Amino acid sequence: DAGVTQSPTHLIKTRGQQVTLRCSPKSGHDTVSWYQQALGQGPQFIFQYYEEEERQRGNFPDRFSGHQFPNYSSELNVNALLLGDSALYLCASSLGRQGWDEQFFGPGTRLTVL
Amino acid sequence: SQQGEEDPQALSIQEGENATMNCSYKTSINNLQWYRQNSGRGLVHLILIRSNEREKHSGRLRVTLDTSKKSSSLLITASRAADTASYFCATDRPTGNQFYFGTGTSLTVIP
Repeated sequence: DAGVTQSPTHLIKTRGQQVTLRCSPKSGHDTVSWYQQALGQGPQFIFQYYEEEERQRGNFPDRFSGHQFPNYSSELNVNALLLGDSALYLCASSLGRQGWDEQFFGPGTRLTVL
Repeated sequence: SQQGEEDPQALSIQEGENATMNCSYKTSINNLQWYRQNSGRGLVHLILIRSNEREKHSGRLRVTLDTSKKSSSLLITASRAADTASYFCATDRPTGNQFYFGTGTSLTVIP
């Protein structure tokens, strides 16, 4: 039973560029959440997708957008990259409408913006 | 923004000793969870305690929750070198619209 997978593992971009990160949830899970974790900090909630809709959103600008596909996989898009977007981006999957109980996390994508 | 803060920020103990870390949060919660993170990679869920529970056990882990003080503690008994990691508390609110992680405690267990 595959856990949560994310791609790519590492990514280097320059300011102003756009990036797309991908996540496949744990088998049987229908809810995907995305988090940004700066070095030395706790993860910060970006948004959550359920039934292909953005269900909840944290305090992130519109430059951060996402999508969930019918197979429950998800993408995180960040436009007009800033140096401050450099971070570890974590995807988590869970089951059900509540979506917060026992989230399973992927290994993350390390984004570096130069 | 962070909802919770862990204390201490860093903790170093000898293998076999117990490790206690605390979490304080700011607003009413629905559930509180503890996660472990090794070397800046993915987080692993450890335990969930609901707002109407006061104590929960899972193997070598013991979690307490005091909603009147808006605080929780995680006790790891008989620590092992493999317990070396960062530990985060995380909460969701009754409105259910966000999930907040604390600032984390970095635990080092010396063999």
